[in-house]
This record gives sequence, C-alpha cells and structure tokens, in this order.
Amino acid sequence: EADIYQTPRYLVIGTGKKITLECSQTMGHDKMYWYQQDPGMELHLIHYSYGVNSTEKGDLSSESTVSRIRTEHFPLTLESARPSHTSQYLCASRRDTLNTEAFFGQGTRLTVV
Amino acid sequence: GENVEQHPSTLSVQEGDSAVIKCTYSDSASNYFPWYKQELGKGPQLIIDIRSNVGEKKDQRIAVTLNKTAKHFSLHITETQPEDSAVYFCAASIQAGTALIFGKGTTLSVSS
Repeated sequence: EADIYQTPRYLVIGTGKKITLECSQTMGHDKMYWYQQDPGMELHLIHYSYGVNSTEKGDLSSESTVSRIRTEHFPLTLESARPSHTSQYLCASRRDTLNTEAFFGQGTRLTVV
Repeated sequence: GENVEQHPSTLSVQEGDSAVIKCTYSDSASNYFPWYKQELGKGPQLIIDIRSNVGEKKDQRIAVTLNKTAKHFSLHITETQPEDSAVYFCAASIQAGTALIFGKGTTLSVSS
C-alpha cells in the first residue's frame, strides 16, 4: 500500500475562501504531482515538483499554486475558490531514479458553492 | 509533448468474457507504459506495467502488449469478474521522474 496521504478527503467551501489541500508521502520520493480529475474521469496534470524548492505548472492551466518546502509535503492552495474549481484533486509521487510507477493518494473531492 | 489516446471510453462485458482496452501514444521517446485501475472513491492503483524493451507481460488474468513500431499498447483481462468493474487508465512516460501522461480512461462494467 502506498504511503501517500491527502487531506481532507472531502471539502465543501464557499466562494471566495482560501483553501489548502494537503499531500504528504513517506517514501522519500523527490518527484510529486497534482492531477485534477474531471467528472468524465480524465486526469489532467496541473502541477509538479522535481524536489525541494522546485515547482512547475502542468499541461492544464490552473489558478492554484503549490509549494515544496519539504520533500515529503506538497500542498496545493487556491487563494479564492470558485465553483469552477469544483473537482477531484489527486496527488502522486514517483521515485527519482527509476522510470517506474507513480503512487497516488486517495484524492480530495472539492465542492465550491 | 506526449499525447495518449485510449479506446473505448466504456466497455460492458459478461462475467467470464475477455476485455481489451487499447492506447496509442505520440512520442517515440516514451519507454514506460503503466495501466492503472481506479475504483469509486479511491485514487488510481497500478495493476501492470511494461517497458519499451519488452513486447508482452502477463500477471495472472491481466496482460499487456506493446507494439513500439505502431506506438500502441493494449490491456487484456481474461475471465472477467464483477470486481474487475472500474475505470482503467493507460499512461506513458519518457523518463524517470517525469509526469505520467494519462489516457482519458475506460469504464469497464462486468455483469454477472
């Protein structure tokens, strides 16, 4: 079982609120990723990090931001939530040196009302 | 960048039948091709993967085939069971650490 955790699992929040989705892994992986999963289930890469102090935007434009101050922690922040941000957010990590599987957290289902 | 196409988007089979899901990729530099299964309310989990130096890999009822020339790979599930019902994703990756690029997913339904 993967040692990658996301909190909260579910979040319902009002428009305009600032929120942070947490993601932590205990596998020592340098590479971490955030995917947004739409209702059709497609996974879109929105952010990734190759290590501490490294963050990059993914293929899908997102109004969220990320930070990577510690190897094990990769939080995602929305400064002002909007209904269009309603989605499932999945965090993942991979080993740095081998082209191998990515481990996913269970996801955060965000609803902005 | 890499683009992964996956077909079909939905697949319904009877218990005991075989299921096949196909994916194509665009970047010939891709060399790692995993398949993930996602059950309701959970994150995707790896079920099988294949690297570009191998043409076929099997694990019990699940097999994956890779055709590098045609740039396509397929997932084969034999003797399907109701618990195989889930969303399946194929993905491709160029090198270690780069993000996996996923197909759009296939919803498999196995009826008993």
